Amino acid sequence: QSVLTQPPSASGTPGQRVTISCSGSNSNIGGNYVHWYQQLPGTAPKLLIYRNNQRPSGVPDRFSGSKSGTSASLAISGLRSEDEADYYCAAWDDSLSGQVFGTGTKVTVL
Amino acid sequence: EVLMVESGGGLIKPGGSLRLSCAASGFTFSKAWMNWVRQAPGKGLEWVGRIKSKTDGETIDYAAPVKGRFTISRDDSKNTLYLQMNSLKTEDTAVYYCTTKVDWGQGTLVTVSS
Repeated sequence: QSVLTQPPSASGTPGQRVTISCSGSNSNIGGNYVHWYQQLPGTAPKLLIYRNNQRPSGVPDRFSGSKSGTSASLAISGLRSEDEADYYCAAWDDSLSGQVFGTGTKVTVL
Repeated sequence: EVLMVESGGGLIKPGGSLRLSCAASGFTFSKAWMNWVRQAPGKGLEWVGRIKSKTDGETIDYAAPVKGRFTISRDDSKNTLYLQMNSLKTEDTAVYYCTTKVDWGQGTLVTVSS
C-alpha cells in the first residue's frame, strides 16, 4: 500500500511539458529526500532524479525535480516518444522506518 | 560497469520457502547499502527491505508485509546479496529486484501458487 500519491496518468504531445506530482507527509517527503525513477515497459527501473533535484550523469536536462513541503514534482520538458514509461517517486519514511514508493504515473506521448 | 544479477526465482507453493541471490560487480559491494524491491504483475514498486554495510553496522530493515517471514543477508567476500523467503503467500508473487537505489538488477520472478 503506497503512502505517496501520484496521478495514475499524464500525457502530452511531442515537445510539450508534462508535470507529475507526488504527495506525501511530514514523515516522508517533508523530512527526507525525494527520488524519481523511470520504468520503461518490460525493464527494471532507472534512477532519474535523486535528492529532490539532482540528475545522475547521462540523464537529459529535460528532466527536472522539485520539492516543497510534503509534495514533490517531476517535470519533463520537450516531451519525446521515448519518454513513454511509468514514473515513480520514492522517499524514506521515518515513521515506517522504510522506503516508500509513489503509486506510479503512466506517461503517454500522444 | 555496475552489474547486478538476481537468481533463484521460480514457482513455489504457498507456505514454501525460496532463497534469492544477487551477484554484484563493478562497484565496492562491501560499502554499499543494498535493497530488495519487488513488483507484482501489473502493479507498482514495493520496497521489501535493506541491509546496511558492515561498517555501518549491517543494520537490516524490513517492510511490514514481509517482516518475520523474509531475511536479508550479505556475503561481502562473494559480493552477493541474499533474500531468504519463508512462509510464502500468493501475494508475494512478484519480480524481485536487488538495487543500490542507483543501480538495479534485471529482476527474478517469484510465483507463489498452488
